[in-house]
Amino acid sequence: EVQLVESGGGVVQPGGSLRLSCAASGFSFSGHWMHWGRQVLGKGLVWVSRISGDGSTTGYADSVKGRFTISRDNAKNTVSLQMNSLRAEDTAVYYCAEEGGGGLGYWGQGTLVTVSS
Amino acid sequence: QSALTQPASVSGSPGQSITISCTGTSSDIGSYNLVSWYQQHPGKAPKFMIFGVSGRPSGVSNRFSGSKSGNTASLTISGLQAEDEADYYCCSYAGSDTWVFGGGTKLTVL
Repeated sequence: EVQLVESGGGVVQPGGSLRLSCAASGFSFSGHWMHWGRQVLGKGLVWVSRISGDGSTTGYADSVKGRFTISRDNAKNTVSLQMNSLRAEDTAVYYCAEEGGGGLGYWGQGTLVTVSS
Repeated sequence: QSALTQPASVSGSPGQSITISCTGTSSDIGSYNLVSWYQQHPGKAPKFMIFGVSGRPSGVSNRFSGSKSGNTASLTISGLQAEDEADYYCCSYAGSDTWVFGGGTKLTVL
């Protein structure tokens, strides 16, 4: 059974940093691109970032480029999102998702990030 | 990277069919057959419903179908059922290793 479990969310002050992690199991992790998306409570999904199976290729939404860094550890089956220079508008539930079969086939349950003073 | 455009809401009665549109640009939907759709019930994670414009993942009902014409993709749900009431999101590859979601459509089953 595929499982994605996010962790690392919490409350952080504007300008601060936070590192999210996503632990994956139940599939061949290194063979799949992984994504992060986010969703403000009551609002729509927003794509954030993507990383290739070997970690060599990444992509970012313009809204987070230069502030967020995606990485992965295939030995530990984890994907991470380092978030720096956080802003109030980064407040959201952050989901990790596995890319397979032409879409985001499996999603975690999300972790809440709140940026507030 | 502008969000794809979806209607805010659609509605239909049980047994009817509805279609949700998703309009992008020649840089995303118009350039790639990499459109996917997701269903999200309140408080739940999104569920993968359509891939590659019109493909259905294993386990997804054949009442769900997708299509694309030019810069616009569509999701059609036939034989509406109460459990179809949810938010629906389209998504497209947008080049340069970036993706983009639509703003979401709330489906109400009357």
